[in-house]
Amino acid sequence: DAGVTQSPTHLIKTRGQHVTLRCSPISGHKSVSWYQQVLGQGPQFIFQYYEKEERGRGNFPDRFSARQFPNYSSELNVNALLLGDSALYLCASSFVRGRYNEQFFGPGTRLTVL
Amino acid sequence: KQEVTQIPAALSVPEGENLVLNCSFTDSAIYNLQWFRQDPGKGLTSLLLIQSSQREQTSGRLNASLDKSSGRSTLYIAASQPGDSATYLCAVLNAGNNRKLIWGLGTSLAVNP
Repeated sequence: DAGVTQSPTHLIKTRGQHVTLRCSPISGHKSVSWYQQVLGQGPQFIFQYYEKEERGRGNFPDRFSARQFPNYSSELNVNALLLGDSALYLCASSFVRGRYNEQFFGPGTRLTVL
Repeated sequence: KQEVTQIPAALSVPEGENLVLNCSFTDSAIYNLQWFRQDPGKGLTSLLLIQSSQREQTSGRLNASLDKSSGRSTLYIAASQPGDSATYLCAVLNAGNNRKLIWGLGTSLAVNP
């Protein structure tokens, strides 16, 4: 089975532009979470979606938005890019069953804002 | 507010040594704790997951323990190899509806031949 896939792998944008990052979860997983990892730091939670509904949001500005599609894939959108948005964006999918919730990560999208 | 701390921040050992990485968390209301490996510029590879009701998990040369009451976990790596060089991150999954992972900053491990 394919793992979590993300596209694109690398992206270079300029300040003020908009970006869309994509994630496909492991087959059968209905939950997708997004994390931002700045160089040298641990990942920071951005969003969680489960069954196409937003279930959690981290401390990120409204420039960040996301959605989940009927096939459980997800998009993360960032508007009005700032230099500080440069980071590795990680997507995780999980199969939630009661208290069992192991998260599997994709390879990430490296975003550079110039 | 959950906070996760990893000690040490960096570790350099000769090949063959057994080593222990430490992770502590402030709120014991967790569903699980995961240890991840991250190679430079790469994504995250899940190594071990310990449910809140479990005490330890083992995979090959790796053994992770969990003491939820004291807010501590350790990752034990036996007979370290140069290929083990990476950053090791621990993350806890908070109980409740907002099931987000809370992360430590990681331990950067270098295993020297």
